[in-house]
Amino acid sequence: NAGVTQTPKFQVLKTGQSMTLQCAQDMNHNSMYWYRQDPGMGLRLIYYSASEGTTDKGEVPNGYNVSRLNKREFSLRLESAAPSQTSVYFCASRGLAGIAKNIQYFGAGTRLSVL
Amino acid sequence: QKEVEQDPGPLSVPEGAIVSLNCTYSNSAFQYFMWYRQYSRKGPELLMYTYSSGNKEDGRFTAQVDKSSKYISLFIRDSQPSDSATYLCAMSATNYGQNFVFGPGTRLSVLP
Repeated sequence: NAGVTQTPKFQVLKTGQSMTLQCAQDMNHNSMYWYRQDPGMGLRLIYYSASEGTTDKGEVPNGYNVSRLNKREFSLRLESAAPSQTSVYFCASRGLAGIAKNIQYFGAGTRLSVL
Repeated sequence: QKEVEQDPGPLSVPEGAIVSLNCTYSNSAFQYFMWYRQYSRKGPELLMYTYSSGNKEDGRFTAQVDKSSKYISLFIRDSQPSDSATYLCAMSATNYGQNFVFGPGTRLSVLP
């Protein structure tokens, strides 16, 4: 029972490089999210996808793009990485039925450093 | 003023102590309240979920919500070293929206 799987776990980039963070869930959830977590700031929503084929901006979308490839997969792309994007990135998914409506299930995170 | 405030700690207690973790919030529309536990280098995992005001107990954990004061608490009884983690509060106004708001987290260390 994998839940939410993120790859890679760690990444170091140089300023200006691009990369894609991958996320997949096996719980048949409709909604998926990308957050970044910085010290003292808590979790901040970058983008979310309420269902397959839809994406919307969250609190801090600048410098990022997303793709909801299918119901299982939601990727986050940094086109031109900046040191301000050094952070821990979490993918999450949320169910639609009953109590699962308000529970987000998180992956283990991707630790990204931009030099 | 941030929408959700939480003392970042760190909070250190001896094993067996009762721990009280708290969050305050400003948006009176919040109705759904959650506590997540996050171990070092791991993703957050749901610990407690409460709707509206009142108490909810699950084993050694009790969640309290006081909507009149815009204040929520998590109590841990008989704390264990395995409880050492960061605790995040989270809240939402609806059960179908996308707007979950997280507190910054309180780092707890339970010393053996």
